Amino acid sequence: KAGVTQTPRYLIKTRGQQVTLSCSPISGHRSVSWYQQTPGQGLQFLFEYFSETQRNKGNFPGRFSGRQFSNSRSEMNVSTLELGDSALYLCASGPRGGPYNEQFFGPGTRLTVL
Amino acid sequence: GNSVTQMEGPVTLSEEAFLTINCTYTATGYPSLFWYVQYPGEGLQLLLKATKADDKGSNKGFEATYRKETTSFHLEKGSVQVSDSAVYFCALSGSSSNTGKLIFGQGTTLQVKP
Repeated sequence: KAGVTQTPRYLIKTRGQQVTLSCSPISGHRSVSWYQQTPGQGLQFLFEYFSETQRNKGNFPGRFSGRQFSNSRSEMNVSTLELGDSALYLCASGPRGGPYNEQFFGPGTRLTVL
Repeated sequence: GNSVTQMEGPVTLSEEAFLTINCTYTATGYPSLFWYVQYPGEGLQLLLKATKADDKGSNKGFEATYRKETTSFHLEKGSVQVSDSAVYFCALSGSSSNTGKLIFGQGTTLQVKP
């Protein structure tokens, strides 16, 4: 079974631009979550989606948004990029969502903002 | 709020040495606890999990026991290998809500020398 895939793997943008990252979960998984990983802040939760509904949202500004499609694929968008948005963005999928189920992570998208 | 604290790294060991990485948590309710591992340039891989007090998670020679009385979930391995060199993250989810949001510790880098 194929794992979680994320595209693109690497992105370079300039301040003020916007970016869209994509995540395809493991087949059959209905839950998708996004995390930001930086050396200074570590791993921080962005969003969680289940069956196209946002179930939970982390403490990030409104420039960060996401959505989930009917096939469980998910996208996240960051508008008006800032230098501090440079990070590894990780997507994770799970079969049912909820606190007791493991999540499987993709390889991440490395975003560099210049 | 909920939080996870891990021992500072890096931890440097010789091959076949005994490994302990300490993890303690603060949470309301009854969270699930996880250990994830991240190899260079990759996403996170689930190493093991425990969903209730006194549960022992184990995988690939690694073990961790959910200790509610000490709010701990220390990771152990009896004999480490060079291939175990990676960053290890302790995480919790679901302490007081029905979401899969993961709260991570800051990560502990393990270096194993031949």
